[in-house]
Amino acid sequence: ILNVEQSPQSLHVQEGDSTNFTCSFPSSNFYALHWYRWETAKSPEALFVMTLNGDEKKKGRISATLNTKEGYSYLYIKGSQPEDSATYLCAFRMIYNQGGKLIFGQGTELSVKP
Amino acid sequence: DTEVTQTPKHLVMGMTNKKSLKCEQHMGHRAMYWYKQKAKKPPELMFVYSYEKLSINESVPSRFSPECPNSSLLNLHLHALQPEDSALYLCASSHPGTKGNEQFFGPGTRLTVL
Repeated sequence: ILNVEQSPQSLHVQEGDSTNFTCSFPSSNFYALHWYRWETAKSPEALFVMTLNGDEKKKGRISATLNTKEGYSYLYIKGSQPEDSATYLCAFRMIYNQGGKLIFGQGTELSVKP
Repeated sequence: DTEVTQTPKHLVMGMTNKKSLKCEQHMGHRAMYWYKQKAKKPPELMFVYSYEKLSINESVPSRFSPECPNSSLLNLHLHALQPEDSALYLCASSHPGTKGNEQFFGPGTRLTVL
């Protein structure tokens, strides 16, 4: 059974705080790691797809890093805003999986108070 | 158009009913997916269609019957469901096969089985 773990499960921060969360995944047979942002009653929105060890990606105030050898990825949000409140999901894709199957973590629920 | 649409948004059905969920995309994606998400759990893959052919069935009970009538449409036919099948059903699409391709998700159909 492949496990993708995210921590913390939930996070409450004040506006302006910077925050980060972790996604742990199997370090063998790595193919890709996806990050999604999911606001209530909306579609999950893709943030990053990371494929190479040492990858760092950035979109505005959000960035992510990837370590495939030890099996983890960090998502950072700089200067959190109330509109960043959402659940952040990571998803792992194994090699030899041409069907595109993603294995999701349970998510980190972020709440940013004004 | 970078949207995946799903209808209906909400569905309530009895255990003897037959109903269908519909998913549509016009991004030219040739891979389409059905996921099931129970409360506080990660989305779990059910089916993958690649070039309109079923490529992955994650041992889903036969009371769920997927159909991909063309490259833009994906249906999920429901029959004789159980109350434990109540969940959020998410559809997604992507370009098949390429490592870095993200999956685009719809907002889901919230299904309640009475």
